[in-house]
Amino acid sequence: KQEVTQIPAALSVPEGENLVLNCSFTDSAIYNLQWFRQDPGKGLTSLLLIQSSQREQTSGRLNASLDKSSGRSTLYIAASQPGDSATYLCAVTGFKTIFGAGTRLFVKA
Amino acid sequence: GAVVSQHPSRVICKSGTSVKIECRSLDFQATTMFWYRQFPKQSLMLMATSNEGSKATYEQGVEKDKFLINHASLTLSTLTVTSAHPEDSSFYICSAILLIGGGNEQYFGPGTRLTVT
Repeated sequence: KQEVTQIPAALSVPEGENLVLNCSFTDSAIYNLQWFRQDPGKGLTSLLLIQSSQREQTSGRLNASLDKSSGRSTLYIAASQPGDSATYLCAVTGFKTIFGAGTRLFVKA
Repeated sequence: GAVVSQHPSRVICKSGTSVKIECRSLDFQATTMFWYRQFPKQSLMLMATSNEGSKATYEQGVEKDKFLINHASLTLSTLTVTSAHPEDSSFYICSAILLIGGGNEQYFGPGTRLTVT
């Protein structure tokens, strides 16, 4: 049974700081891994999708890496801004899509 | 990119009534859709897999008679919460699978917030 863990559960940083969010999963037989952003009371915004054959994906200030063999992915956010404050969810898709519990990020101005 | 819509976005109903939530893939056909629920400050939990033309597959602990799923066409899946109770209040999100080449991508709807009074 796939289990997805996100560390830390919550993070508060000053504006401008670079930060790393971690996601680990127990079953490496996956099709892809996706990072989402969720604002309070809102739906999901897809940030980056990494196929199982890929090692990383980049979009603007975001970079996500995938190490399938070790069951880990990281989301790197460069030069964080208050607008980045949200919950970040990692979702691993194998036979099913399993979500992590998320990391609540707060960027202080 | 592919778009998945949900209707309604927000619904309030009285305890004991039934509520239907629609999930549509707007610009692609989806043989498989998923339904998730999310309690406040928690992550998304998969409820069921909806397959076009066949019965849905429910996750352990999800009551199939309470959460009726119908995937009648390649662009529409519906979730009906029957005899709703306050504990059914939650954020319900659907997703649809788009087959691309040798792989697939999953697109999520914006969610439906259900409040049962």
